[in-house]
Amino acid sequence: GNSVTQMEGPVTLSEEAFLTINCTYTATGYPSLFWYVQYPGEGLQLLLKATKADDKGSNKGFEATYRKETTSFHLEKGSVQVSDSAVYFCALSEGGNQFYFGTGTSLTVIP
Amino acid sequence: EAGVVQSPRYKIIEKKQPVAFWCNPISGHNTLYWYRQNLGQGPELLIRYENEEAVDDSQLPKDRFSAERLKGVDSTLKIQPAELGDSAVYLCASSPRRDTEAFFGQGTRLTVV
Repeated sequence: GNSVTQMEGPVTLSEEAFLTINCTYTATGYPSLFWYVQYPGEGLQLLLKATKADDKGSNKGFEATYRKETTSFHLEKGSVQVSDSAVYFCALSEGGNQFYFGTGTSLTVIP
Repeated sequence: EAGVVQSPRYKIIEKKQPVAFWCNPISGHNTLYWYRQNLGQGPELLIRYENEEAVDDSQLPKDRFSAERLKGVDSTLKIQPAELGDSAVYLCASSPRRDTEAFFGQGTRLTVV
């Protein structure tokens, strides 16, 4: 079946530190991969996506590369800001039938 | 463009009472999802609609949960009767078509006491 495993949090970083949140997936076919972000008190927002192997999704300084050989989609940002504090969810979708989410990783960035 | 709108934002009810949630998806989006998110977990699918047809309701607890999407636009999710374990955030999402990203509403936080 389909599933997503992401690193457990919470993660606390100082401003301008490098961020990596690991995500690996299991899928029966060729899924699309997503990172969603949930800011305090708000709904889930799409951060970036990749639809096929070796694609790189990017947005707001965040990047993730679809690695089929390692079944991974790790999220990275070179220099985090306080405003990046949120919960980050890795997700996959195969044919749009449904989205499978990881358990979320809470990030707190301190000044 | 307006996003996915859900109401109410918060709901507190006693166990065994009924409750209903409403969702207005983004205009033109044919696919609509209801997800449940328990505390500290990722969202899990309850039901998916393509237009007015429920095409995947395999994870909907049908003994107490029901949903409808009249005219393929707005949708309601109902629980009757509610149990303590139903306390969660109920999320509605929509997509223009199946193979693209989903856009989520802010959710309804349900507390059953």
